Amino acid sequence: QLQLQESGPGLVKPSETLSLTCSVSGGLISSSNFHWGWIRQPPGKGLEWIGYIFSGGNTYYSPSLQSRVTISADTSKKQFSLRVNSVTATDTAVYFCTSAVFTSGWWMDSWGQGTLVTVSS
Amino acid sequence: DIQLTQSPSFLSASVGDRVTITCRASQGIGNYLAWFQQKPGRAPKLLIYAASSLQSGVPSRFSGSGSGTEFTLTISSLQPEDFATYSCQQVNLYPHTFGQGTKLEIK
Repeated sequence: QLQLQESGPGLVKPSETLSLTCSVSGGLISSSNFHWGWIRQPPGKGLEWIGYIFSGGNTYYSPSLQSRVTISADTSKKQFSLRVNSVTATDTAVYFCTSAVFTSGWWMDSWGQGTLVTVSS
Repeated sequence: DIQLTQSPSFLSASVGDRVTITCRASQGIGNYLAWFQQKPGRAPKLLIYAASSLQSGVPSRFSGSGSGTEFTLTISSLQPEDFATYSCQQVNLYPHTFGQGTKLEIK
């Protein structure tokens, strides 16, 4: 199983950009066997799927966030990243990076520990 | 987006009980459904994929069933470590939405 670890600022000001990085060990980020994704969870609430980046570089985002979100990957550093523009307090959440493996469907079997990002001035 | 509705949202049970959680999809999703367990301050853990396949390392007291629009997660005999929040997720269509979660607490 892969090991994933999120990193980035824990506090972001309103209207600024949230940037997080996920470092991957135990596998190749360029492998076609995996999708790399981000999930978030506002305090006390449920899980929200943000999007995936595929091994070929294609991305898919949640329509509710698509206008503000970018997921990218740096295969040489074995990292993938999340950027959320123009953040507001509603973007305050624990952000998880995940990997999804294909077994008759894409299933998220590896998760980072999560990192809390608070949007506040 | 496909909506997933879990019931109940809150469940109180005792060690040794058999419990069932239901997840209903707003449209048919075949068997493209996963179940996750999440404990406070921890990342979700994949329990069941493809509606009924047990993830490696997950105890056999966990089982999943269903297809189309109605799915269930069953824990045959609750253990103390099973008290957690359970969430379903569909991976049939993007975005891969989650249910709102079911919090399982000790009675």
